[in-house]
Formats: sequence, C-alpha cells, structure tokens
Amino acid sequence: ETGVTQTPRHLVMGMTNKKSLKCEQHLGHNAMYWYKQSAKKPLELMFVYSLEERVENNSVPSRFSPECPNSSHLFLHLHTLQPEDSALYLCASLGQGSTEAFFGQGTRLTVV
Amino acid sequence: AQSVTQLGSHVSVSEGALVLLRCNYSSSVPPYLFWYVQYPNQGLQLLLKYTSAATLVKGINGFEAEFKKSETSFHLTKPSAHMSDAAEYFCAVTPAGGYNKLIFGAGTRLAVHP
Repeated sequence: ETGVTQTPRHLVMGMTNKKSLKCEQHLGHNAMYWYKQSAKKPLELMFVYSLEERVENNSVPSRFSPECPNSSHLFLHLHTLQPEDSALYLCASLGQGSTEAFFGQGTRLTVV
Repeated sequence: AQSVTQLGSHVSVSEGALVLLRCNYSSSVPPYLFWYVQYPNQGLQLLLKYTSAATLVKGINGFEAEFKKSETSFHLTKPSAHMSDAAEYFCAVTPAGGYNKLIFGAGTRLAVHP
C-alpha cells in the first residue's frame, strides 16, 4: 500500500462511452501525475499537476481530459476512446522537496 | 533533455545467481536516477535512488546500484537472485532538483528459474 489509490482497478468501455478514472492520495503531496503504460513501450507521461495547476500536457489527444479539483484528487475523463488506448493507467504523487514518487496500482483499461 | 536506455528487455537468471540489469542515461544537467520494480497487476515501487550523495546506493530486497558518471550508467545488481525477484524493473531519470517528471526506460523483465 503506497498511499495512492486508483479506482476502478479494471475498466472495459466501448468506443462511444464516457468514463472517468480516479486517483486519490492523502499523503500531503502537492504534485500528481498520469502515466500510460502500454505493452512493450516505455511509460509515457501524460499530465502533470502541481498545486492543482496543470503544468504539463505531453501532446495527449483531447479524448483524454484531466481534472484536479484539489490537491488530494486527480481524475482522467475519457470519451470516444480508440482500441489503441487500451493500457494500464498509472497515477503518481510527489511531495514538495521529496525525491520519491508514489504510484497507485493502476487502472487496466480495455477499449472494445 | 533526459532519456534512459535499458539494455535487454528480458533477463533470465538461475536462483542464487547474480542479477545485473543495465541502465544508461542521457542528461544535459546533473540527474537524479531511480530504479522501480513492478510486480504483476501492481503499480511501481521504488527500489532505490541516486540523488547526488553516495555513488553506490543500496535499496530494498538486497538490490544496489552504482552511479558512474563517466559511463553514464546506473546498473542494478543483486548478488543472489530469489524467485520472488521475478518482476519488471524500470530505470528512471529526472533533472536534479526538478520534479516535473520522471522519464522511464522501456523496462527489463527479470525471470528467475530454479
């Protein structure tokens, strides 16, 4: 248990559906991240939030929409996804001045 | 800009044998370097980190890594492999003092056989 909780753990959705992934941490961290882990590819950084402000968006398609309503919660809203978006989506958080990022267990997303 | 290269997507060792997982980095500024482990259906767990103190870093589960600036390497080793070490291992880099992002290598899957 790392203190970063992701829900749901597994999600199957159709290409026309809208769903959201949730990440929650109560570690007092002020930076949160979304990573995408696809088979046989390096982890891809998608979004970075620092102090609830988005500081980085790595050319992620608009069908992925992040939201950070407060320092403890991070969402990834999904709509009209493609089968190639099937992957493990990992959330991480980092405290100010810390050198260790804590990862959640991930959400395994399958787009059908 | 930073990048990480992990040589060997799959490594197989016998139980009790030396584990060596290779990581080379590229960084235009002094780096911080990390090794993470991922067990099946789990997130990433920090094994160890280099943050410009001692160049030989010891981590959890008997793993250690040595930062070699001249070789731009940060290889992970363990003297004697356990069956429980079977997992995927990721090397990562971030600029020293800059924590906007961790850049990961492609990962190395370690198999341990009896």
